[in-house]
Amino acid sequence: KQEVTQIPAALSVPEGENLVLNCSFTDSAIYNLQWFRQDPGKGLTSLLLIQSSQREQTSGRLNASLDKSSGRSTLYIAASQPGDSATYLCAVRDSSASKIIFGSGTRLSIRP
Amino acid sequence: NAGVTQTPKFRILKIGQSMTLQCAQDMNHNYMYWYRQDPGMGLKLIYYSVGAGITDKGEVPNGYNVSRSTTEDFPLRLELAAPSQTSVYFCASSLRHNTYNEQFFGPGTRLTVL
Repeated sequence: KQEVTQIPAALSVPEGENLVLNCSFTDSAIYNLQWFRQDPGKGLTSLLLIQSSQREQTSGRLNASLDKSSGRSTLYIAASQPGDSATYLCAVRDSSASKIIFGSGTRLSIRP
Repeated sequence: NAGVTQTPKFRILKIGQSMTLQCAQDMNHNYMYWYRQDPGMGLKLIYYSVGAGITDKGEVPNGYNVSRSTTEDFPLRLELAAPSQTSVYFCASSLRHNTYNEQFFGPGTRLTVL
């Protein structure tokens, strides 16, 4: 059974720092991995989608990497800003079906 | 395109009442999903559908029912509401089941059962 874990559950850093959020999954047979952002009381916004054949994807200050063999993905945020404060969720589409399994998220707070 | 829309935004139910959460998408997506999100937690899959007329259970289907009579609509029904069903419900859709397509989410329905 696929399980997705995100550590830490919460992170607080000063503005301007580069930071890394972690996501691990137990079954390496995945189709893709997606990173989302969720603001308080809001829905999910897709940030990056990494296909199973890819190693990384970049969008602006965000870079997501994927290492299927070790069951890990990281989301790198460069030059963090207070507007980056949100909960970041990773989700894997596993190979068994159309199901997508979510981690419990990392709540990020950027201090001005 | 409106994307994925959900109604209502908020609802309070009494124990034992029933209701239907509506979800619609106008992107001609094959796949649709219902998730629930409890406070401080990730999303858990309730039901999903790979196309009109086809539905299947996710991780936490008990207490819920779905139907998919059209490509656009995927309503979620609660027959006998229980306090354990207090949660935020998200509907999502994606084009097809392959490596390239991402999920798009609706804004959510916040449900409280008292």
